[in-house]
Amino acid sequence: QVQLMQSEAEVQKPGASVRLSCKTSGYTFSRNYIHWVRQAPGQGPEWMGIIDPRGTGADYARKFLGRVTLTTDSSTATVYLDLASLTPDDTALYYCAREYDQSSGWFDYWGQGTQVSVSS
Amino acid sequence: FVLTQPHSLSQSPGDTVTISCTRSSGSIADNYVHWYQMRPGSSPTTVIREYDQRPSGVPDRFSGSIDTSSNSASLTISGLKTEDEADYYCQSYDANNRVIFGGGTKLTV
Repeated sequence: QVQLMQSEAEVQKPGASVRLSCKTSGYTFSRNYIHWVRQAPGQGPEWMGIIDPRGTGADYARKFLGRVTLTTDSSTATVYLDLASLTPDDTALYYCAREYDQSSGWFDYWGQGTQVSVSS
Repeated sequence: FVLTQPHSLSQSPGDTVTISCTRSSGSIADNYVHWYQMRPGSSPTTVIREYDQRPSGVPDRFSGSIDTSSNSASLTISGLKTEDEADYYCQSYDANNRVIFGGGTKLTV
């Protein structure tokens, strides 16, 4: 069955960077785009970006341009999110989500979420 | 554009509730709208995709619709159960294929 397994919780200081992982299984990795969505405490979900596991590229929400990088490792079917210059406002639950297909764009599977806490 | 949802709704078990999602500019028919249920401690789940399609495993108490006259999409839950208590978010795309979420509706049953 399809699974998206995310890395463990992170605690970081302001100014640091963090790398989160999302290891996929149960399907052909190259066939579905992966998105990253975060949810800060008391807030709604916020889209961060999308990556094509075939290696054709990534796209990011304007808010995160220059601070977030999405990459993939096809040998392990894993997607990575790198977020730099962390501030306390980056404290949130981060999810990876699989896009069902490009024609409709809905998320059919989600990871379990990774909590990132940023505090001095 | 912005997707606007009611902030909160409260209904009794067995009731029917409708949650709206209004698009501020452009047509609601320009891009599919999907609906997600989010509960604390659980990953989000899709309850409606592509305006009115139920993913497998979603009870038929959940239905979706689109109304171009009001430029909105709606999620309707009938026969409410206490387990339906959650936050519900609509989601669509902008012209640059970037994901947009609605502000969310907190449903109390």
